[in-house]
Amino acid sequence: KAGVTQTPRYLIKTRGQQVTLSCSPISGHRSVSWYQQTPGQGLQFLFEYFSETQRNKGNFPGRFSGRQFSNSRSEMNVSTLELGDSALYLCASSMGQGPGREQFFGPGTRLTVL
Amino acid sequence: AQSVTQLGSHVSVSEGALVLLRCNYSSSVPPYLFWYVQYPNQGLQLLLKYTTGATLVKGINGFEAEFKKSETSFHLTKPSAHMSDAAEYFCAVSFITGGGNKLTFGTGTQLKVEL
Repeated sequence: KAGVTQTPRYLIKTRGQQVTLSCSPISGHRSVSWYQQTPGQGLQFLFEYFSETQRNKGNFPGRFSGRQFSNSRSEMNVSTLELGDSALYLCASSMGQGPGREQFFGPGTRLTVL
Repeated sequence: AQSVTQLGSHVSVSEGALVLLRCNYSSSVPPYLFWYVQYPNQGLQLLLKYTTGATLVKGINGFEAEFKKSETSFHLTKPSAHMSDAAEYFCAVSFITGGGNKLTFGTGTQLKVEL
C-alpha cells in the first residue's frame, strides 16, 4: 500500500505570496490532519478534516486554510506569506476519526519564505 | 489543558547502552500516549502507543514504554542502542474526548548514538 504523499516536497516563495500544498492519504483513509514543524515552535496542529468537513482547528491565523475533497485528498493554503511561515508542513492520515488511532505521516513539504 | 514535557532536548548514548527518553504529561484524565521517531528529511513514524490495557507497551525496533499513571509518565526505553537509532523522538498525547485525531507533541529529544 502506498504511503501518504505530499507535493511538492520543496517550495520557495516570497513574502506576500500565497501557496497551496497537497496531501494524498493512504487509500481508504478518510481523516487528514496537518501539522507545522519549526525549530522554534516544534510540531503544532493546524487542522483536521474528515469526510470533507473540518473537525478540529489549531490556533493559527485565518491565513491558514484547508479543504478536503471527496476522494479524501486534502490541500492547505497559506495566503499573504510571512517569513515566519517557513516550516516543514506535515500531513497525516488515519482510517477514521477519534483519539488513539494510528496516524501515518507523509514526508512533508519544506516551505521557505524569502 | 493537556501538555507534554520531554526532559532533555539532546541525549547521547554509546552503542549497546540503554536508551531512556523521558516524557511526562499533564492532563486531568489520562490521555492516549504516543512515541514517534523522525529521521532527517522524513516524516514521523509511530514507534508505539498506549490507549488502554497493559501499561507496558512494546513497539517497533525493540523500543518499549511504560505508562505510569501515578507519575504521569510514559518514558521510552531500548535495552541496547544501535547506530541506526540516531534520530529525533517525539512524545505526543491525544484527548480522549473532543479532540478528534489532534496530537499534542512534546518538544522532541535528539538521540545521538556514539561508537
